Amino acid sequence: DVKVTQSSRYLVKRTGEKVFLECVQDMDHENMFWYRQDPGLGLRLIYFSYDVKMKEKGDIPEGYSVSREKKERFSLILESASTNQTSMYLCASSLGGSGRTDTQYFGPGTRLTVL
Amino acid sequence: GNSVTQMEGPVTLSEEAFLTINCTYTATGYPSLFWYVQYPGEGLQLLLKATKADDKGSNKGFEATYRKETTSFHLEKGSVQVSDSAVYFCALDTGGFKTIFGAGTRLFVKA
Repeated sequence: DVKVTQSSRYLVKRTGEKVFLECVQDMDHENMFWYRQDPGLGLRLIYFSYDVKMKEKGDIPEGYSVSREKKERFSLILESASTNQTSMYLCASSLGGSGRTDTQYFGPGTRLTVL
Repeated sequence: GNSVTQMEGPVTLSEEAFLTINCTYTATGYPSLFWYVQYPGEGLQLLLKATKADDKGSNKGFEATYRKETTSFHLEKGSVQVSDSAVYFCALDTGGFKTIFGAGTRLFVKA
């Protein structure tokens, strides 16, 4: 079974702090994704990566950056956390390959609160 | 652009009731369609999928048929259980790395 793990289940940070959320997958997947989930809005894509060191903006990249130095690890960085970034953050991975339609495998989520 | 619309919740049913959660989509090309489920405190997991028109996906008693003529992929289950209480997401993927998710429908099943 694919396993996607996230570094924290719950995180509380203060406005202006730099925040790192880490995600690791163990199935050699090419693609990795970061979403935020808010009530009534479903999942919104922040960034994704289709290869090591490659990244693409999603629908709501403002205020976020990402890093993928190793195939299995994809980090989301909030350079200066703000209260409107309080949310549930979900990491996902998929097998990858050009033109494929893929099942995504999700981690358990990190609930981030910014005070 | 591509989009997914699913019925608003919450949906509240008694155990053994019939479930339908409606999902319609707009897409260019020939997308694959998915239903994901999110149990309390967990991430999403795939429930079922269909990759072409008239395909039926099924899993754990849930079914959905890919209807191209009505651009729909409604989720059904004949007899729900308390353990089916969760949030259900309809989604589409056209092969361009991005999966489009609906807003989610919360289901409560009462004993």
